Amino acid sequence: EIVMTQSPATLSVSPGERATLSCRASQSVSSNLAWYQQKPGQAPRLLIYGASTRATGIPARFSGSGSGTEFTLTISSLQSEDFAVYYCQQYNNWWTFGQGTKVEIK
Amino acid sequence: QVQLQESGPGLVKPSQTLSLTCTVSGGSISSGSYYWSWIRQPAGKGLEWIGRIYTSGSTNYNPSLKSRVTISVDTSKNQFSLKLSSVTAADTAVYYCARSMVTWGQGTLVTVSS
Repeated sequence: EIVMTQSPATLSVSPGERATLSCRASQSVSSNLAWYQQKPGQAPRLLIYGASTRATGIPARFSGSGSGTEFTLTISSLQSEDFAVYYCQQYNNWWTFGQGTKVEIK
Repeated sequence: QVQLQESGPGLVKPSQTLSLTCTVSGGSISSGSYYWSWIRQPAGKGLEWIGRIYTSGSTNYNPSLKSRVTISVDTSKNQFSLKLSSVTAADTAVYYCARSMVTWGQGTLVTVSS
């Protein structure tokens, strides 16, 4: 099983600031990496797939990078609606998810 | 626009079988090159992939659940289903169905308790 590890567990950021979230895979997943946003009581929402391709309708302030085992999600200027939990997911070998990073208001 | 809706009992007794159905609306479950998945999330915890099915009937399951899981598809009803046998309290979670990675249902809470 490919284990996905996200850091930090919680990120405190002020609105308008930049947020950088990390995700590490226990073995290479190539670029088969996705990022999701989840708000309380809602299903996850796909933000990024292929490590760096924004899903339909996702604002340009969300960007993804990386390949192999190290990945990053960057939110360039946090808006109020961006405070949520973010999960990375590998789909190179079935699916496994990271444990999540909570982005909270500082 | 395709929408997914989970349905099934919200309470299941320990050792019994959990059964859920995902109904697809706004499009045919048979069209396109999609796969149909089940994912679950215990309260306050992360996401766990359960398994997936293609409309051909081909399935893949999470190895940790494989011995207890069956996913099936009924194209005539535009539905796919999950069965999880021998449930325990550890199977209490919100269960989501999804089309590939993009489209998810709203989720349904299943509690395992006597």
